[in-house]
Amino acid sequence: AQSVTQLGSHVSVSEGALVLLRCNYSSSVPPYLFWYVQYPNKGLQLLLKYTSAATLVKGINGFEAEFKKSETSFHLTKPSAHMSDAAEYFCAVGFTGGGNKLTFGTGTQLKVEL
Amino acid sequence: ETGVTQSPTHLIKTRGQQVTLRCSSQSGHNTVSWYQQALGQGPQFIFQYYREEENGRGNFPPRFSGLQFPNYSSELNVNALELDDSALYLCASSLLGGTGVTGELFFGEGSRLTVL
Repeated sequence: AQSVTQLGSHVSVSEGALVLLRCNYSSSVPPYLFWYVQYPNKGLQLLLKYTSAATLVKGINGFEAEFKKSETSFHLTKPSAHMSDAAEYFCAVGFTGGGNKLTFGTGTQLKVEL
Repeated sequence: ETGVTQSPTHLIKTRGQQVTLRCSSQSGHNTVSWYQQALGQGPQFIFQYYREEENGRGNFPPRFSGLQFPNYSSELNVNALELDDSALYLCASSLLGGTGVTGELFFGEGSRLTVL
C-alpha cells in the first residue's frame, strides 16, 4: 500500500522568498514520486518526477525536489517565489507495475504575497 | 495546452440518475486514466484503460465503469448517482501504458459534477 502526507494545507510566502512544500510518502516497494501543480479551474500539470535516477530532481518553473529515502521525503523547493507560483500543489506516489495509478496527497495551497 | 479535452465541463444531476463523461486523449497517447477529485482533496484513482481494456482499478464500486475506443478516447459512466459522487472528474492520458513504468500524465481540465 502507498500513501502520501503533505504537511501544511496552506503555505504563505513573500515574493522572492524560499518556497518549501513538504511531502512524506509511504511505500512497500521502490516508489516513483511526482509533484503536480493545479491552477484554479485547470487540470493538473506535472512539475517534476523522481524515477530512481538522480535524487535531486529539477523541474519546470525553477522548482526542484530531493528524494531522501532515509526520511521518506520528497520536499519541493524553489529559491525565489513569484506571484505566478500561487496555486495548489500535489505530491503523488506511484510504483513499477502500477501503471498510472498514482496516490495523491491532499494538496498544499501556496499563497504568494507582495 | 495539454491536448486532453473533456466534456461536459459542468453538469448537474439528481440522485439515482446516470451520467457519462467524455475524454479525448492527447494525440498518440494510448492510455487513459480517470481520477475523482472531491472538494479540498487530492485526486483519487478510479481506473485506467490501455488498448481498450481496463487494466487497473482503484477503490470504486462497480457502478463506476468506463470505455476506451479505438481512437483512444474514453468515457466514464456512473450509475445510480449518490450525493458523494459530486466532484471534479479528471481524465489523464499517457504515452506509456500497461502496468509498467508510470509515465507522465497529461490532465484535462475536468468535468465538474454536482449531484443534488
